Amino acid sequence: DIQLTQSPSFLSASVGDRVTITCRASQGIRNYLAWYQQQPGKAPKLLIYAASSLQSGVPSRFGGSGSGTEFSLTISSLQPEDSATYYCQQLNDYPLTFGGGTKVEIK
Amino acid sequence: EVQLGESGGGLVQPGRSLRLSCAASGFAFDEYGLLWVRQAPGKGLEGVAVMSWNSGSAGYADYVKGRFIVSRDNAKRFLYLQLDSLRGDDTAVYFCAKDISQSSAYFYGTDVWGQGTTGIVSS
Repeated sequence: DIQLTQSPSFLSASVGDRVTITCRASQGIRNYLAWYQQQPGKAPKLLIYAASSLQSGVPSRFGGSGSGTEFSLTISSLQPEDSATYYCQQLNDYPLTFGGGTKVEIK
Repeated sequence: EVQLGESGGGLVQPGRSLRLSCAASGFAFDEYGLLWVRQAPGKGLEGVAVMSWNSGSAGYADYVKGRFIVSRDNAKRFLYLQLDSLRGDDTAVYFCAKDISQSSAYFYGTDVWGQGTTGIVSS
């Protein structure tokens, strides 16, 4: 199975900060990577698909980049409503796997 | 409105079975790949099973292979997950989800999720 390693597992930042979460795949997955945001008690929400495509309705402060084994999710200007846990997911090969998650806290 | 709704969760003893169902509405069900994802209490997301839009391929996480079976009924617009030989570490909220890509050999991301159904495995 393809393993995804997210870092950091936790980050605390201030409103307006630029934050970046990275996701490293144990083998190449081309651009078959998605990013999700999950609020407590809710289903995940798709933010980015195909590594860099912004899902409809998602604010433009969210951006994704990368290919192969190294990927990143960037929030250009952190907002209070961005407090959540973020997950990457690889869709290149079965089984589809997730990273361990990054909890983002607003200072 | 595009919707997915899971049912079938509950409390079950170790070694027993559950059958989860996911009802779909508001989109061309037979044109999209579908997934089951679970989340144990306080833990992260785990991909459980996936089925392509045309039922041509299915994939399972290693920890459920041989115990869980995914299927779909396009006529009834349902996705199913048969869970056999359940263990305590199968306790989780089980979500069904729809892929964003239409009639594709590949999955690109899950844009619609159900609210989840909880399965608790305990004696």
